[in-house]
Amino acid sequence: GENVEQHPSTLSVQEGDSAVIKCTYSDSASNYFPWYKQELGKGPQLIIDIRSNVGEKKDQRIAVTLNKTAKHFSLHITETQPEDSAVYFCAARARAGNKLTFGGGTRVLVKP
Amino acid sequence: DSGVTQTPKHLITATGQRVTLRCSPRSGDLSVYWYQQSLDQGLQFLIQYYNGEERAKGNILERFSAQQFPDLHSELNLSSLELGDSALYFCASSETQGHGANVLTFGAGSRLTVL
Repeated sequence: GENVEQHPSTLSVQEGDSAVIKCTYSDSASNYFPWYKQELGKGPQLIIDIRSNVGEKKDQRIAVTLNKTAKHFSLHITETQPEDSAVYFCAARARAGNKLTFGGGTRVLVKP
Repeated sequence: DSGVTQTPKHLITATGQRVTLRCSPRSGDLSVYWYQQSLDQGLQFLIQYYNGEERAKGNILERFSAQQFPDLHSELNLSSLELGDSALYFCASSETQGHGANVLTFGAGSRLTVL
């Protein structure tokens, strides 16, 4: 089955700097790659997603890039703010099914 | 509020006991998914239902079972509980079970503590 690895597990950045989280996946049939943000005491919330027919997608300060050949995708957060502090999860879904496989998560801390 | 409702929010019980976690999906969503999140762990897929039928199974223990009712709400039953079952249990819902990009919306979770 699909295996998703996520790095780093923790990331501390200064407010205003950029944060980058990287994920690799194993199943070349995967075609949908969402990113979720989980704040303390809450459920994961979708922040951005990308499909396999697109190489990059941007939404304000957040961008995701996908390299299908290398089977990796990344989340980029620019001009980080304290409210960006949370745990971020990447995920991948294979074409044949509907199950999302999640990475292990990255705890991001934005220091004022 | 995501529209996915999970109850109870917190549950404390003893080893060997049985509990039921409940999930009401977002209005219009036919698929329900259950995930387990242990301390400092990622989200582990347990099981998916679509319109009352089981659609996919993950790493769900035999002591655990689930069902989706005609009104589309779902219940996750955990029996013969062990200390290691202590975790956050999330329910998510989506509109369809098709092959397109299908956004999962998560509830706030049920925190289970087994003492």
